[in-house]
Order: sequence, then C-alpha cells, then structure tokens
Amino acid sequence: AQSVTQPDIHITVSEGASLELRCNYSYGATPYLFWYVQSPGQGLQLLLKYFSGDTLVQGIKGFEAEFKRSQSSFNLRKPSVHWSDAAEYFCAVGALGDDKIIFGKGTRLHILP
Amino acid sequence: EAGVVQSPRYKIIEKKQPVAFWCNPISGHNTLYWYLQNLGQGPELLIRYENEEAVDDSQLPKDRFSAERLKGVDSTLKIQPAELGDSAVYLCASSLAGPGSGANVLTFGAGSRLTVL
Repeated sequence: AQSVTQPDIHITVSEGASLELRCNYSYGATPYLFWYVQSPGQGLQLLLKYFSGDTLVQGIKGFEAEFKRSQSSFNLRKPSVHWSDAAEYFCAVGALGDDKIIFGKGTRLHILP
Repeated sequence: EAGVVQSPRYKIIEKKQPVAFWCNPISGHNTLYWYLQNLGQGPELLIRYENEEAVDDSQLPKDRFSAERLKGVDSTLKIQPAELGDSAVYLCASSLAGPGSGANVLTFGAGSRLTVL
C-alpha cells in the first residue's frame, strides 16, 4: 500500500535561513508527488508537483523540491525563509492508474525572528 | 475565478444532533473530494465523486455519514447523529480529472470546522 512519511512533526528555523522539509514515500509504481501548504484556518494550497521529467521542480513562493527515486524521497527546500512561511506543510503521493492521493501527517514550520 | 467554496466555516453542535456541510467546486471540475482532517493530522479521504457518481466511498462511515452530489456540481456532506469524535475539519477539494490521470491537481476549500459538544 502506498504511504507517505514526514519524519519531522515540527521544524524551527530563523528568518533568512535555509529550509529543508523531508518526505519519504512508499509506492511500487512511479508516483506523482505534491507539496501543499496550509496556513491556520485555511485550506491546503498547492506549492508544487512532480509528475515526470526534470526531477527538480520549482514551485510558488520560492520553494523547490527534488524527486530522488533511489531514496524514495521528495524533499522540499527554500534557500531563505520569510516569517510568512510559518505554516503546516503536507507531502502527498498519487500515481497513474491509482485512485487515491495519500497525504502525510504534516510538518509544522516555525520561524524565529 | 472563484475557488472552492465551503460553508459553514464553523459549526458547533451538541452530540446526537445532525449537521450538514456544503461545497461548491471550481467551475468545470468534474472530480470532487471530501476529506477529513483531524487536529495535527493530514487530510484523509472520505469520498470521491466523478461527476455525480461516488467512485470511492470506502472510507466513509456509512452508518452516520452520507453525501450527495446532485447534478454533478455542488455537494453536501451530512452527519447524523454527530458524535464527539467527529470534531474535525471537513475539507472539500476539486480537480479537473481523477487521481492518476496526470491532471489531478486538487484545489481545496477553506474547510468547515466542526465542534461537537
């Protein structure tokens, strides 16, 4: 069965520092991978997605993620975080021919001034 | 373009009372999803519609939950009777196509937060 693991429940970084949020998936076929962000009291907003092709994908708000098949990972990165990036981040996986999109449990990002 | 619209945003009820949530997806989006999000957790699928057909309701607790999507546009999710454990956020999402099609980017509404006392 497919699954998504986000090993870090909370991450705290200083404003201006770099960020990496981890995501590992388990799936037999080539996955579709997503990162969503959720601000308090809001729905989820898509940051970026990987379907095929270039394994380094660019998203909105300066985020990027890299698909590494050998490590079953799709980590989210940002070179310099802003206070407005404080939110909860969800990794999700789907696949061609599958009928489910599975979400991880999320990583809450805290920003220190 | 309007996004996915959900109402009400907040609802407080006593246990054993009924409650209903409404969702209006993005125009032209054939696939509609209802997700349950418990505090500190990721969204979990309750039901997925393709047009007016419920194609995946395996995770919907059918003894108390029901959903409909008449005419393949708006959808309503109902709980009757509500239990304390139903306190959560109910998210609606829509997409142009179903999962696995390559076009299944989900757009989420703001959610309906239910508190059962």
